[in-house]
Amino acid sequence: QEHLMQSGGGVVQPGRSLRLSCVASGFSFTNYNLYWVRQAPGKGLEWVSFVSDDGNTKYYAASVQGRFTISRDNSKNTMYMQMNALRPEDTALYYCARDEYKYDTSGCGLWGQGTLVTVSS
Amino acid sequence: EIVLTQSPGILSASPGDRATLSCRASQRVSRNYLAWYQQRPGQPPRLLIYGAYSRATGIPDKFSGSVFGTDFTLTINRLEPEDFAVYYCQQYGTSPFTFGPGTRVDI
Repeated sequence: QEHLMQSGGGVVQPGRSLRLSCVASGFSFTNYNLYWVRQAPGKGLEWVSFVSDDGNTKYYAASVQGRFTISRDNSKNTMYMQMNALRPEDTALYYCARDEYKYDTSGCGLWGQGTLVTVSS
Repeated sequence: EIVLTQSPGILSASPGDRATLSCRASQRVSRNYLAWYQQRPGQPPRLLIYGAYSRATGIPDKFSGSVFGTDFTLTINRLEPEDFAVYYCQQYGTSPFTFGPGTRVDI
């Protein structure tokens, strides 16, 4: 069964760092583009970042550009989000997601369960 | 950045009704790379439609998508209790891959 398992969330002070992980199972990880999407409490969805299947293409939302770094380790079926210089407005439930179809940008068809990041002093 | 505007913000409907949700893009969406998602409380989003009108795996044909220029529409036929949720559109043709603010379908 295809699955994305997330970990790494928690409570952190402003200005500190956190790393999120997303471990895939049940599918050919190396054939899919991956995404991070977040949702602040009671708010809508916000796209955060994208990494291509080979890891060579990366995009970021302006709100996180220069502070967050997306990466993937295809040998470990794992995607990461390194979050530095965290701000209170980064407080959200962070989802990892995968394209619906391999080799194709096709919308986020598989989602992790989400991990909560709270930035507060 | 492509801005997506969804209307209405809240749609009140009854079981058995047809719901029509709109998503307007501020500029052309490359290759009509527009997706629709359903989100129920406490759950991650669920992909319904990709490429403006293609249904995702396992999505019933009561859900359909269409496009005219920069105006995208999600139609839900024969509303059932489980369809009452929040629906988001997202364009993934040009980075940043923006989401719309959502339409809540209420009973």
